[in-house]
Amino acid sequence: EAGVAQSPRYKIIEKRQSVAFWCNPISGHATLYWYQQILGQGPKLLIQFQNNGVVDDSQLPKDRFSAERLKGVDSTLKIQPAKLEDSAVYLCASSPTQWSEAFFGQGTRLTVV
Amino acid sequence: AQSVTQLDSQVPVFEEAPVELRCNYSSSVSVYLFWYVQYPNQGLQLLLKYLSGSTLVKSINGFEAEFNKSQTSFHLRKPSVHISDTAEYFCAVSARYNQGGKLIFGQGTELSVKP
Repeated sequence: EAGVAQSPRYKIIEKRQSVAFWCNPISGHATLYWYQQILGQGPKLLIQFQNNGVVDDSQLPKDRFSAERLKGVDSTLKIQPAKLEDSAVYLCASSPTQWSEAFFGQGTRLTVV
Repeated sequence: AQSVTQLDSQVPVFEEAPVELRCNYSSSVSVYLFWYVQYPNQGLQLLLKYLSGSTLVKSINGFEAEFNKSQTSFHLRKPSVHISDTAEYFCAVSARYNQGGKLIFGQGTELSVKP
């Protein structure tokens, strides 16, 4: 069974530029999460989808971050414009339901300079 | 809302010694509990989970954790650690079925096993 796929693995951009991350969850998983992990901290939930609907986006900085999950499968997370403090690893995870364990991708390491 | 507190940010230990990584949670509803491990430059991997039933859960590589409802804890233990156990460990909590489901993580504990 293929795992959660994320791309790119690494990205370096200048502040005020835009960037997008892509995630392909495990086939059949209804729940998809995006987390932000700043160095030395635990993952912080940005947004949770159930199929193609948003369950929780309370910690998503909506003035600059956006996410979508078309057709309840793949998802993209966008930052526009990026700030220095957005430097982090962005983790995508999927789960069969909202109440079972999450399976994580390798993450995208973003550096904003 | 749920929250997780991992009481130790770093735990250094010698090889073959026992270790305990502490985790306390806060929740107004019943929860599921998880421990994840993260090796350098990798994503998180599930180590073990408590969903229901026996309060003592075990992993295939010798770790175990015990759910203590009265103390709202889910501490992770291993009787004898190996160099290969060096990693970051995260405790996570999720509200039970039909009561939410948002997976919330603690700040992590860096386990460093020395020869």
